[in-house]
Amino acid sequence: GAVVSQHPSRVICKSGTSVKIECRSLDFQATTMFWYRQFPKKSLMLMATSNEGSKATYEQGVEKDKFLINHASLTLSTLTVTSAHPEDSSFYICSATGTSGRVNEQYFGPGTRLTVT
Amino acid sequence: RKEVEQDPGPFNVPEGATVAFNCTYSNSASQSFFWYRQDCRKEPKLLMSVYSSGNEDGRFTAQLNRASQYISLLIRDSKLSDSATYLCVVNGDNFNKFYFGSGTKLNVKP
Repeated sequence: GAVVSQHPSRVICKSGTSVKIECRSLDFQATTMFWYRQFPKKSLMLMATSNEGSKATYEQGVEKDKFLINHASLTLSTLTVTSAHPEDSSFYICSATGTSGRVNEQYFGPGTRLTVT
Repeated sequence: RKEVEQDPGPFNVPEGATVAFNCTYSNSASQSFFWYRQDCRKEPKLLMSVYSSGNEDGRFTAQLNRASQYISLLIRDSKLSDSATYLCVVNGDNFNKFYFGSGTKLNVKP
């Protein structure tokens, strides 16, 4: 099946700093990547959708200047949490759809656990 | 109204039991439906896509009822390893947009 990787898997940073999370599709071309966040015991909340080579589409309530998304190639998307605050601490998960597998099936990365101190 | 609604559970069942989950969706134009499982502190993993005619994969059977706008997942002969949260996922008007239910927690006990 399709494989999506994320890096780092875990990061601790100080309040006010920025953190970059990478999401890669390893064996297929990801035409669309999604970024989610998940708080404990809650479901995934879609933050934004990105298509290769175009600007990301952010969900209502998600600050695009705070959560910078770049989808520069068909195998890589990055999410940068700028000026992180403790309330940004969460589990961030990316997923991808593309040319592998059945149409519209999403393949998830293993997630990045961000802790802001 | 939420796009996708699920009973949060938890469903506590003994090993070997049959358990069924339902999920309702609000957008009648939705075309793609999926069940994912998510283990604690892990990413969701695709369990099965749901097709109009219904589909079965081993102990798992998924059904779609378009008229009533719900999908179901049946697990037969539950195993301890089936304990997880099961997420119902439906696409929206934009086929590239997916909506997640809040998940149904299953605990299979010995």
